[in-house]
Amino acid sequence: SQQGEEDPQALSIQEGENATMNCSYKTSINNLQWYRQNSGRGLVHLILIRSNEREKHSGRLRVTLDTSKKSSSLLITASRAADTASYFCATVPVSGGYNKLIFGAGTRLAVHP
Amino acid sequence: DGGITQSPKYLFRKEGQNVTLSCEQNLNHDAMYWYRQDPGQGLRLIYYSQIVNDFQKGDIAEGYSVSREKKESFPLTVTSAQKNPTAFYLCASSINSQGAEKLFFGSGTQLSVL
Repeated sequence: SQQGEEDPQALSIQEGENATMNCSYKTSINNLQWYRQNSGRGLVHLILIRSNEREKHSGRLRVTLDTSKKSSSLLITASRAADTASYFCATVPVSGGYNKLIFGAGTRLAVHP
Repeated sequence: DGGITQSPKYLFRKEGQNVTLSCEQNLNHDAMYWYRQDPGQGLRLIYYSQIVNDFQKGDIAEGYSVSREKKESFPLTVTSAQKNPTAFYLCASSINSQGAEKLFFGSGTQLSVL
């Protein structure tokens, strides 16, 4: 079952611009995580935000969480060509066991030099 | 150099054949996971293991089997009962056996049917 849904499915921007990706989910969560995947590779963990947190920063990344709207956003500031990748949100639902990390379909980000 | 190693990178399966995908980690993590990724889609959980000699079915376990005889190793067998096995398979681990937090992923195995 897919819990998270990212929006947009694809995003194309110029270097230096900001990129915003959104994630919506259906059931109450323990935490929400964002991952990055370069084409044909494994995923890399970017950031984790817990259900009692509203905002978190890591370098050029800013993540927000709105549990009342069941949504999260990932902002990448001052994007670089090397940020080109797919970005996935993943949730750990409160019900169903804390080991079940459920991924959305991802946002494909293209950053043009 | 710590990490997760998946092998082979590419694998081909004939009709009626079982194939085994290898996953080894030297991170001393308790929990390990297998995910399947179809083109343009997210990851779906096949099996996970919180501790040696124990594993649980994920959302799409039918046609797959696993074992966890050693902490470092979590091989996945794709059996002939899996009728649509073509996909990208990803193995992951996490330090916390009580929750799927900050997963570390291998580089994946692309399985195709001949």
